[in-house]
Amino acid sequence: EVQLLESGGGLVQPGGSLRLSCAASGFTFNDYAMSWVRQAPGKGLEWVSTLTGSGDGTFYADSVKGRFTISRDNSKNTLYLQMNTLSAEDTAVYYCAKGMCGSSACLGGHSDYWGQGTLVTVSS
Amino acid sequence: SYVLTQPPSVSVAPGQTARITCGGNNIDSKSVHWYRQKPGQAPVVVVYADSDRPSGIPERFSGSNSGNTATLTISRVEAGDEADFYCQVWDPISDHVIFGGGTKLTVL
Repeated sequence: EVQLLESGGGLVQPGGSLRLSCAASGFTFNDYAMSWVRQAPGKGLEWVSTLTGSGDGTFYADSVKGRFTISRDNSKNTLYLQMNTLSAEDTAVYYCAKGMCGSSACLGGHSDYWGQGTLVTVSS
Repeated sequence: SYVLTQPPSVSVAPGQTARITCGGNNIDSKSVHWYRQKPGQAPVVVVYADSDRPSGIPERFSGSNSGNTATLTISRVEAGDEADFYCQVWDPISDHVIFGGGTKLTVL
């Protein structure tokens, strides 16, 4: 059974940093691209970033490029999102999601499994 | 960058057919995916690659994609279908995943 478990969310002050983790199980982790998608309170889904299975391809939304870094440790079956220079606009539930294959060739595919999300609140 | 436009809300009586649209420039050149999200839950894919349905999703859910509009059709709507629905594509020009703004389906 595929499971994705996010952690690392919490309350952080504006300008601060936070690192989210997503522990994966039930599939061969390094065979699949992984993504972060966020949802601000009462708002829609917003894609944040995607990382290929081998880690050689990274893609970022314009709103986070230069501030957030996606990475993975395939030996630990874990996806990360390092978030720096946070602002109130980054307040959201952050979901990790599994892609349909590992390479950039299938970035057009859907996400077939999602975690339950971790809440990040940026406030003073 | 590429934009997907969804109606904010769609209302339908039980047993009727709901159609949720997703507009985008030449969207039929892209592979469209649809997610359902119930309150407090993570999104779940209900249709992928325009019209394919994952295992476990009822046949009542179907998709189409033509011209500038992709459509998610839910037949014989049930009260339990109430949820927010999002369309999604990949834009190879910007290398971005794009979500539509979402449509709240209300069952009257």
